[in-house]
Amino acid sequence: DAGITQSPRYKITETGRQVTLMCHQTWSHSYMFWYRQDLGHGLRLIYYSAAADITDKGEVSDGYVVSRSKTENFPLTLESATRSQTSVYFCASSGAGDTEAFFGQGTRLTVV
Amino acid sequence: GNSVTQMEGPVTLSEEAFLTINCTYTATGYPSLFWYVQYPGEGLQLLLKATKADDKGSNKGFEATYRKETTSFHLEKGSVQVSDSAVYFCALSDRDDKIIFGKGTRLHILP
Repeated sequence: DAGITQSPRYKITETGRQVTLMCHQTWSHSYMFWYRQDLGHGLRLIYYSAAADITDKGEVSDGYVVSRSKTENFPLTLESATRSQTSVYFCASSGAGDTEAFFGQGTRLTVV
Repeated sequence: GNSVTQMEGPVTLSEEAFLTINCTYTATGYPSLFWYVQYPGEGLQLLLKATKADDKGSNKGFEATYRKETTSFHLEKGSVQVSDSAVYFCALSDRDDKIIFGKGTRLHILP
């Protein structure tokens, strides 16, 4: 299917475990982004990528790792999950900086 | 650093009322400006955008004008509908092509 897809949609994990959230887009967009959405904070940028093998930290990158070996995939890994990382995570992609960003449906992550 | 500030919600209006959601930004250079909308249980989708000063973005009856002199991009609609109930986010794309969002404004429209 065309578009941007995130998996899983829901995930419960334990404190200290490593967890990876997947993001896949079919448009060959150059830019991809990871955000977390929390009540009272809106969307905060975790990491972004301008192209394959190019990634940069956002506002709240501590505790997260990303990779982009292929243009279409941008996985986000929580190296050792903490309860403060309980959130809804959104992946997005865009063709260029000043064009529309397309969002996935989100992954609701709960760390217990 | 670059940032976006938008009015706190929730905003509650009656159907057919006039809507304004204020948004101001801080950025170096000349960012592109956006309004996104998020319906319950969904991701964000672009509502409108403006890429240079004095540009007006419009879509589905919503409008916003890029005001460089006041660093603002206020969202307006002349007559809201129940179906406009959602969370609205103002955003900018900075010179590094990061997209920075405001905290969002929840809008409730009463029939």
